[in-house]
Amino acid sequence: DAGITQSPRHKVTETGTPVTLRCHQTENHRYMYWYRQDPGHGLRLIHYSYGVKDTDKGEVSDGYSVSRSKTEDFLLTLESATSSQTSVYFCAISDSDSTEAFFGQGTRLTVV
Amino acid sequence: DAKTTQPNSMESNEEEPVHLPCNHSTISGTDYIHWYRQLPSQGPEYVIHGLTSNVNNRMASLAIAEDRKSSTLILHRATLRDAAVYYCILLALNFGNEKLTFGTGTRLTIIP
Repeated sequence: DAGITQSPRHKVTETGTPVTLRCHQTENHRYMYWYRQDPGHGLRLIHYSYGVKDTDKGEVSDGYSVSRSKTEDFLLTLESATSSQTSVYFCAISDSDSTEAFFGQGTRLTVV
Repeated sequence: DAKTTQPNSMESNEEEPVHLPCNHSTISGTDYIHWYRQLPSQGPEYVIHGLTSNVNNRMASLAIAEDRKSSTLILHRATLRDAAVYYCILLALNFGNEKLTFGTGTRLTIIP
């Protein structure tokens, strides 16, 4: 299995509080992604990174920010959590466009 | 980004071959065709990918139309463990800016 770890795996938080999800990899892959998945939807891209300090927005980036200060860690921050951000969040890594991406096990976030 | 179209759901009998179609009529010449699947309560996992020629691996085969406007994922002998949502994804070669964009996929049900 690819070395990709998401933490925490489960979190319940209150509306308005900041939340940070961490994705850690041991594969030294260049690309890292954050997705969210809601019932009835496929995975939707929030933000992605193509190198240290190089990030870009995905299709549902509003309300989220990311940081990548080193190759192995990609952090997703909800500055002020809202109930609409209740979801399962997946991190993924890949080495290039021609190789497979590996996904973490997901983080279930509930905002109450 | 180029889009893909897949049937929402399909059923197949156990131990029979399964052909999962994907239409991508607006594919560009440098788009790779990737397939991922997501088992219940897990993150997606890579199945196969290709560019122009048909591809085989231990999990499946990928048949790509000559005009590249459609492709078919072939599971040669379905098992109950193959019940999952299958995603067909086009990955654009935009060097330094690759990203996986998921649609809603095909939910495959295997009938014992």
